[in-house]
Amino acid sequence: GNSVTQMEGPVTLSEEAFLTINCTYTATGYPSLFWYVQYPGEGLQLLLKATKADDKGSNKGFEATYRKETTSFHLEKGSVQVSDSAVYFCALKDGSARQLTFGSGTQLTVLP
Amino acid sequence: EAQVTQNPRYLITVTGKKLTVTCSQNMNHEYMSWYRQDPGLGLRQIYYSMNVEVTDKGDVPEGYKVSRKEKRNFPLILESPSPNQTSLYFCASRTGQGTSEQYFGPGTRLTVT
Repeated sequence: GNSVTQMEGPVTLSEEAFLTINCTYTATGYPSLFWYVQYPGEGLQLLLKATKADDKGSNKGFEATYRKETTSFHLEKGSVQVSDSAVYFCALKDGSARQLTFGSGTQLTVLP
Repeated sequence: EAQVTQNPRYLITVTGKKLTVTCSQNMNHEYMSWYRQDPGLGLRQIYYSMNVEVTDKGDVPEGYKVSRKEKRNFPLILESPSPNQTSLYFCASRTGQGTSEQYFGPGTRLTVT
C-alpha cells in the first residue's frame, strides 16, 4: 500500500534560517506529491505540489522537487519567517487511489 | 468565497450520546471526505464520497456513519461515541479531477468523556 514518512518534529529555527523537512514515500504507481500547511486553529491548505518526476513545486518561498530515484519530496525554504510557524504535511495520491495519503506532520516553530 | 464549513467547531459530549457533525461546501465538488487528526498519526481518512449517494470506507471507519443526500453536504454521524473518538475532525472536498487541490474545513474539536 501507499505510505508517507516525514521527519520527526518538532523543528525549532531562528528567523532567516534555512529549512528542510524530509519526506519519503512508498507507492505502487506513479503518484502526485503534495505539501500541505496547517496554521494554528485552521484547516490544511495546499502549499505546493508536483505531479511527475523531476517536477519542482514552489510557493511562498517554499520548494520541493519530486525525486523518483530516491522516492523523496523534501520541503525547503531558504529563509524562514515567524509567520511560517505551522504544521507541515507531506501527502501523495497515485492514479489508482481515491484519496490522499498523509504523513504524520512536522511541527515548525520559528523564533524571532 | 469558496469554502468548506463545519459545525460545530467544538463539542464536548458523553459516551453513548449520538451526535452529528455537519459539513458543507459551496464549490460543487464531487469528492468529499472526513479525516481525523491525532498526535503522531497525521490525518487518517474515515469515510469518503465520490458523489451523491456514493460513499465508501476509508482507513478508520469503525464507529462512524456518513450520508451524501445532496452534493454540498456530507455529515459525519457518531451513533454511540466513545472516548477513543476524542479527536480533531476535518471535512474536505475536491473536484473529480485526479490531482485537484483538496479544500479543508476549519476542523471540529470533539471530546468524548
